[in-house]
Amino acid sequence: GAVVSQHPSWVICKSGTSVKIECRSLDFQATTMFWYRQFPKQSLMLMATSNEGSKATYEQGVEKDKFLINHASLTLSTLTVTSAHPEDSSFYICSALTRDRVWNTEAFFGQGTRLTVV
Amino acid sequence: KQEVTQIPAALSVPEGENLVLNCSFTDSAIYNLQWFRQDPGKGLTSLLLIQSSQREQTSGRLNASLDKSSGRSTLYIAASQPGDSATYLCATSGNTPLVFGKGTRLSVIA
Repeated sequence: GAVVSQHPSWVICKSGTSVKIECRSLDFQATTMFWYRQFPKQSLMLMATSNEGSKATYEQGVEKDKFLINHASLTLSTLTVTSAHPEDSSFYICSALTRDRVWNTEAFFGQGTRLTVV
Repeated sequence: KQEVTQIPAALSVPEGENLVLNCSFTDSAIYNLQWFRQDPGKGLTSLLLIQSSQREQTSGRLNASLDKSSGRSTLYIAASQPGDSATYLCATSGNTPLVFGKGTRLSVIA
């Protein structure tokens, strides 16, 4: 199956600093990538949809100036958490869509990044 | 707005038992339905994808079925093993990105 690599797996940062998380599709081109956040014992919540070469689409309640998403190539999307605060501590997961026919899509996920803001 | 519900929220079974996980969704206009596995603190692993035109998919000891008209999908795990212990999530895709259920936390006891 398709492989999505997410880096780093975990990161601890000080409050007020910024953290960048990378999501790469290793063996396929992903025109669309998604970023999710998961709080303990909760389901995945979509934060934003990232399309290559265009601005990301953010879900309601997600601050676009705080969670900067860049999708500069067909294999790389980045999420930058700016001015991180302890309440941003969470598990962040990216996914990328493969598409071999128009409607035959399958989502593959990165390993996730555990962010702890102290 | 699509809503995905998974029942039960948690399940504990002895090793070797066959089990069924349930997933229901409110909007039947889906492109496909996926089942995922998530180990604690880890990302998601795609297990099975059922396209909207299909009724079931099989992979090893796993069998997933889809009934679009009733808004239901089931994941059948045969001869469960302790290594199957994880949270299982189903998700639908349609005009919007994947919508996830909250998952079923499975514990298989040796």
